[in-house]
Order: sequence, then C-alpha cells, then structure tokens
Amino acid sequence: AQSVTQPDIHITVSEGASLELRCNYSYGATPYLFWYVQSPGQGLQLLLKYFSGDTLVQGIKGFEAEFKRSQSSFNLRKPSVHWSDAAEYFCAVGPGYSSASKIIFGSGTRLSIRP
Amino acid sequence: DTGVSQNPRHKITKRGQNVTFRCDPISEHNRLYWYRQTLGQGPEFLTYFQNEAQLEKSRLLSDRFSAERPKGSFSTLEIQRTEQGDSAMYLCASSLDGAGGYEQYFGPGTRLTVT
Repeated sequence: AQSVTQPDIHITVSEGASLELRCNYSYGATPYLFWYVQSPGQGLQLLLKYFSGDTLVQGIKGFEAEFKRSQSSFNLRKPSVHWSDAAEYFCAVGPGYSSASKIIFGSGTRLSIRP
Repeated sequence: DTGVSQNPRHKITKRGQNVTFRCDPISEHNRLYWYRQTLGQGPEFLTYFQNEAQLEKSRLLSDRFSAERPKGSFSTLEIQRTEQGDSAMYLCASSLDGAGGYEQYFGPGTRLTVT
C-alpha cells in the first residue's frame, strides 16, 4: 500500500540552528515526492519536489531535500532556520507516471522555533 | 490569476443540513482535486476531475458527498445531511498536465464546523 511516514510529530529548534525533517515512503513504482508547508490559516505551499535526476533538490525559502531510494527516504533540510519557518510541514508522494492523480500526504511535522 | 480560490472560507452548520463549497482553480489548469484535512492530520484525497470528468473517488467519499465540475471550470462539493464527523478543512487543488509533473496548487480551504 502507498503510504508516507513522518516519524516526528513536533520538533523544536533554536533560531539559526540547522533543521532536518524526516520522511519515509512506501510506493511500488518510481514516485514523485513533495514537501509542502502550511502556516496557520494558510493553504499548502509547495517547498520543493523530486521527479527524477539529481537526488538533491533545492526549493524555496532555503530548503533542500535529498531522495535516497535505498532508504525510501526524502528528508527535508535547512542549514539555518528563521522564526518565520515555524509551521506544519507535510511530505507527500504521487504516482510517477503520466496519468497522475492523487497525492498521499504524511501526517505532518509541526516545527516550533525557539528564540 | 492569483491562485486557487475557495468559498466560503468558513462554514458553520447544524447537523442534518446540506452545505456546498465552491472552488475556482487556476484558470488554465485542467485537473482539479478535493482533499479533506482533519486536525493533526495531513490532507486525505477525496476526488479529482480531469476537465469535467470525475476520474477517481476515494472510499472516504460517502454517498452523502457529491462533487461536480460543470464545463471543466469551477467545482462544487456538496455534503448532504451533515454529521459532526464531517467537521474538517476541505481543500481544493488544481494542476496542469504537462512536463511539470502535475504539481498541485492548493487553495486556502473551507473550514466546516458541524454543530
């Protein structure tokens, strides 16, 4: 069955510290992988996506993620977090073929920033 | 076009009443998706349209739920005989077929509260 696991429900990091949010997926074929961010009262915003090619992808707001097929992981990283990064982060997987449809989301990781 | 819009943003209704939500996708996007998000969870897929055709429905979409996309433009999601368990955020997303990998752009959502 297709699934996405985000093992950390809530993470708190100090402003200026580095960040890594974990994501593991289960998918039978080559997946499309996404990270979305959701701030309170806001819609989901795409941070970055992986379809093929270079396994290290760069996104907006200084985020990057690395696809590791052997570990079925797509962890999100940022070298130095800002207070404005406090939000809910969702990893998601979609089918990597032309008739793409739904995206399957993880349950999210809530990021808090310590001043 | 500034993105996906959804109306209303908030809806409070009494159990047993019918409600209808509207989604206006990004104008050139041919695919439109509905998701439901409950507190502390990631979005869950409900249904999606390619142009005016409804191509997939989740088992979450009971017979009290119906979605339409007349003329392949805006979409409506109706819930009949609402139940307290229907309380959630209803998210709409749209995407465009092509080399972009079906990146989905989300609206701000409609928060439904059933009392």
